[in-house]
Amino acid sequence: ETGVTQTPRHLVMGMTNKKSLKCEQHLGHNAMYWYKQSAKKPLELMFVYNFKEQTENNSVPSRFSPECPNSSHLFLHLHTLQPEDSALYLCASSPSGEETQYFGPGTRLLVL
Amino acid sequence: GENVEQHPSTLSVQEGDSAVIKCTYSDSASNYFPWYKQELGKRPQLIIDIRSNVGEKKDQRIAVTLNKTAKHFSLHITETQPEDSAVYFCAAHTSNTGKLIFGQGTTLQVKP
Repeated sequence: ETGVTQTPRHLVMGMTNKKSLKCEQHLGHNAMYWYKQSAKKPLELMFVYNFKEQTENNSVPSRFSPECPNSSHLFLHLHTLQPEDSALYLCASSPSGEETQYFGPGTRLLVL
Repeated sequence: GENVEQHPSTLSVQEGDSAVIKCTYSDSASNYFPWYKQELGKRPQLIIDIRSNVGEKKDQRIAVTLNKTAKHFSLHITETQPEDSAVYFCAAHTSNTGKLIFGQGTTLQVKP
């Protein structure tokens, strides 16, 4: 599947590093999402962008900073993360804030 | 806030048997209920969904039922096969908040 792509697929970073996750969708959708998936927990919605405007910030710590330059691209900038931030970060898109969301393959993040 | 409870957390069945996963939701305004399948190391993929104006929907070996009064919905997989082994997530969407709230996931193992 190439509808929603994410890079990198795996990332190891120290707590003082700064890195960015990238998501790109080729489906012509207008809404994009960041989710965090940890072991034994449900998918946690982090951010929602609809037509490039952030419409949801689900009480996410400021060490996570999203950016949506256009409807096809979504970034998640990371800085001074904690080991408990290690998780799978999934990007998703939907036509226009609609219900059906399509997921990317995720970035497996390990914070040391 | 909105909440989705999913049971069981793990389910093991013999190939050919049926599997049932149940979810309950808290927000009576929820109107769309998708089910996602996530195979090991892969992205969640939509397998079936149901809207609040329908009580049951079937697609080959999978079916979903919805009881709006009781605020619960279920996934039924018949004639299970080893390739059905995965983590299954239910979710509930509310149009007035635009959020998709996920259940905790069910790990299904189909033994050959």
